Amino acid sequence: GDSVTQMEGPVTLSEEAFLTINCTYTATGYPSLFWYVQYPGEGLQLLLKATKADDKGSNKGFEATYRKETTSFHLEKGSVQVSDSAVYFCALTTGANSKLTFGKGITLSVRP
Amino acid sequence: DAGVIQSPRHEVTEMGQEVTLRCKPISGHDYLFWYRQTMMRGLELLIYFNNNVPIDDSGMPEDRFSAKMPNASFSTLKIQPSEPRDSAVYFCASSLISTGTGELFFGEGSRLTVL
Repeated sequence: GDSVTQMEGPVTLSEEAFLTINCTYTATGYPSLFWYVQYPGEGLQLLLKATKADDKGSNKGFEATYRKETTSFHLEKGSVQVSDSAVYFCALTTGANSKLTFGKGITLSVRP
Repeated sequence: DAGVIQSPRHEVTEMGQEVTLRCKPISGHDYLFWYRQTMMRGLELLIYFNNNVPIDDSGMPEDRFSAKMPNASFSTLKIQPSEPRDSAVYFCASSLISTGTGELFFGEGSRLTVL
């Protein structure tokens, strides 16, 4: 079945540091890939997405590129802010029904 | 626009009691999902509906859990009887398949504590 593997956390960075969060996937078919973010006390919200190989999703300074050859969708940001502190989830869908398979999530804490 | 609305936001109950969680999806959305989030297991899909019809309930942990969607604007997740291991945050999410984006819109969650 489909699965998403995220790097182990938590991750703690200083403000303005570079961020990489790894995500790899296994899927039958040709998935669409997503990063969702969950701020404290809130539900998940879409951060960015990519629907085909070599697509780059971007939003709020975050980027991720759909790499079919390495089945990866790593999240990056060049300079993190304290307000980026949240839990980040990588996810995929292969069907037409929006049914998402999520990774376990990783907690990012950014220190001033 | 109103997002997905869940109630209650917090529920504390005693083992053996019945718990009902409620969800109002975004108007016009045709898919509704119930997820459970715990530290140990992360996000788990419990059940999802398409046009009010349950499509896949394979994630429902056991017979104590049931979900209904009597109309397009309302869904419930019921646990009877509740147990301490049911303590978690339960999220409802909805989507509109015709947009083709695959994006889910989540509510703020219902935090359940079973003592």
